Amino acid sequence: DVKVTQSSRYLVKRTGEKVFLECVQDMDHENMFWYRQDPGLGLRLIYFSYDVKMKEKGDIPEGYSVSREKKERFSLILESASTNQTSMYLCASRGTSGGTDTQYFGPGTRLTVL
Amino acid sequence: ELKVEQNPLFLSMQEGKNYTIYCNYSTTSDRLYWYRQDPGKSLESLFVLLSNGAVKQEGRLMASLDTKARLSTLHITAAVHDLSATYFCAVDSSGGSNYKLTFGKGTLLTVNP
Repeated sequence: DVKVTQSSRYLVKRTGEKVFLECVQDMDHENMFWYRQDPGLGLRLIYFSYDVKMKEKGDIPEGYSVSREKKERFSLILESASTNQTSMYLCASRGTSGGTDTQYFGPGTRLTVL
Repeated sequence: ELKVEQNPLFLSMQEGKNYTIYCNYSTTSDRLYWYRQDPGKSLESLFVLLSNGAVKQEGRLMASLDTKARLSTLHITAAVHDLSATYFCAVDSSGGSNYKLTFGKGTLLTVNP
């Protein structure tokens, strides 16, 4: 079974703090994704990565950056957290072999910025 | 810009009844995915539809894809309480090149006894 883990289930930070959210997958997947989920807005893609050290902006990258130094790990960074970044953050991964693969999601990190 | 619209966004139904959730999208794609999310949990893959006319069934749920109409449906047959969850459709507009998905806003399904 594919396993995607995220470093924290719940996180509380203060405005202006630097926040790191980490995601690890154990299936040697090339593609990894960071989404945020907000009520009424569904899932919105922040950044994705299709290989080590490669990244592309998603639909809402402002205020975020990412790092992928190893294939299995994809980090989301909030350089200076703000209250409007309070949200559920979901990481996903997906392989490129086979056409039927789907994205596999981690358990999510609920971030509250005070 | 790809837009994915689900309707209804809220669905309250009685056990034993049938209903359909619709997912419309705005640009050409032949890759569509359905996910389920239980409260407080993450997303779980339900169906992967990869061609026009694709139909997949699992238990009381059946999903289909019409790429010409840019429409997918998720049909619920004889609903039971365990199906209560939020259902998302997602469309891959990259042609399979980077697997970037655009999600609908989700349909919150409540099945009442």
